[in-house]
Amino acid sequence: DIQMTQSPSSLSASVGDRVTITCQASQDINKNLNWFQQKPGKAPKVLISDASNLETGVPSRFSGSGSGTEFTLAISSLQPEDIATYHCQHYDSLPYSFGQGTKLEIK
Amino acid sequence: QVQLQESGPGLVKPSGTLSLTCTVSGVSISGNKWWSWVRQPPGKGLEWIGEVFHTGSKYYNPSLKSRLTLSVDKSKNQFSLKLASVTAADTAMYYCARGSGLTDWGQGTLVTVSS
Repeated sequence: DIQMTQSPSSLSASVGDRVTITCQASQDINKNLNWFQQKPGKAPKVLISDASNLETGVPSRFSGSGSGTEFTLAISSLQPEDIATYHCQHYDSLPYSFGQGTKLEIK
Repeated sequence: QVQLQESGPGLVKPSGTLSLTCTVSGVSISGNKWWSWVRQPPGKGLEWIGEVFHTGSKYYNPSLKSRLTLSVDKSKNQFSLKLASVTAADTAMYYCARGSGLTDWGQGTLVTVSS
């Protein structure tokens, strides 16, 4: 089974900062990776699919990059509404799995 | 607009069976998408449970496989989850979602395992 390791587990940043979250796969998953945003009490929402494809309606300050085993989610200029927990998830081979999540807070 | 809605008991006794249904609207469950379940214990991360296709094909998380049954009811545009022999460790928010890529989610339903 493929293990997904996210870092950091929590992150505090100021409005306007550039923020990056990384996700490492235990083996090559090509670009078969989603990034989700989950706000408190809500279901996760997919932000990015196929490692770098921004979903419709997602602000352009979000971007994804990477392939193989190393992936990054970036927020170019942090906004207050970006406070959430972010999850990566691979869908390269069964069973699919998630990273442990990164909780993003405002400093 | 695709909508998914989970339903089922919010409280299950230990050793009992957890049963949930996901009702899909806005799209046919018989289309070219898998239908998935994900759970999240309180304060913890997400766990992929499994997925089912309208033909009856299914894939389970190996960690749950011995206790898990997924099924589809095309006449009702629903798919379902049954998890047997539950313990407190199965207490979680349970979500249904569309596709292997999890593009659309239900709001989730909290299931507590307790006597």
